[in-house]
Amino acid sequence: DAKTTQPPSMDCAEGRAANLPCNHSTISGNEYVYWYRQIHSQGPQYIIHGLKNNETNEMASLIITEDRKSSTLILPHATLRDTAVYYCIVRVAGTYKYIFGTGTRLKVLA
Amino acid sequence: DVKVTQSSRYLVKRTGEKVFLECVQDMDHENMFWYRQDPGLGLRLIYFSYDVKMKEKGDIPEGYSVSREKKERFSLILESASTNQTSMYLCASSSGQGARNQPQHFGDGTRLSIL
Repeated sequence: DAKTTQPPSMDCAEGRAANLPCNHSTISGNEYVYWYRQIHSQGPQYIIHGLKNNETNEMASLIITEDRKSSTLILPHATLRDTAVYYCIVRVAGTYKYIFGTGTRLKVLA
Repeated sequence: DVKVTQSSRYLVKRTGEKVFLECVQDMDHENMFWYRQDPGLGLRLIYFSYDVKMKEKGDIPEGYSVSREKKERFSLILESASTNQTSMYLCASSSGQGARNQPQHFGDGTRLSIL
């Protein structure tokens, strides 16, 4: 099963872009990358997902490297409400199974 | 917006009790999931269902059962609660349309304490 590696914590100044990296070097060709975040005492919130092309929605952008071994989630203008644990997840091919890692704890500073 | 609603945010039960956790989704999703989340262990899949009356075991099904009698509702049952089942329980749903890449959407969880 493809695993993901993320830094345990990051800080970002309010109003600046937050760039959260994720390594998934063992990902296979048909496995998608998903990003979720979890604010304390709430359930994980879906942010964005992609296969090989870069993706953008109203919350964030997802940049996937050409070899698909890593990706970056970009929050273009971080606010204090973006303080959360961010999970990069690879879904096991052919299944509904997600593999959650320990995530990155992002703290947005005023 | 997808709405996944779990019946209780906090629940306290005693060992040996039969416990029911309920989850309802309003997006007509085919797939529903039950996870538990524990510090240091992340989210672990207990059971999932891809259709009414259908269920499949996840990674840690022991001590649990599930029921899906209606498409929008998925229940998790602790047959005889034990203290090691104290945890945060999360329900999720996803569309079964097209490939399996549709994202899962989570409820806010039930924090269950077994005394």
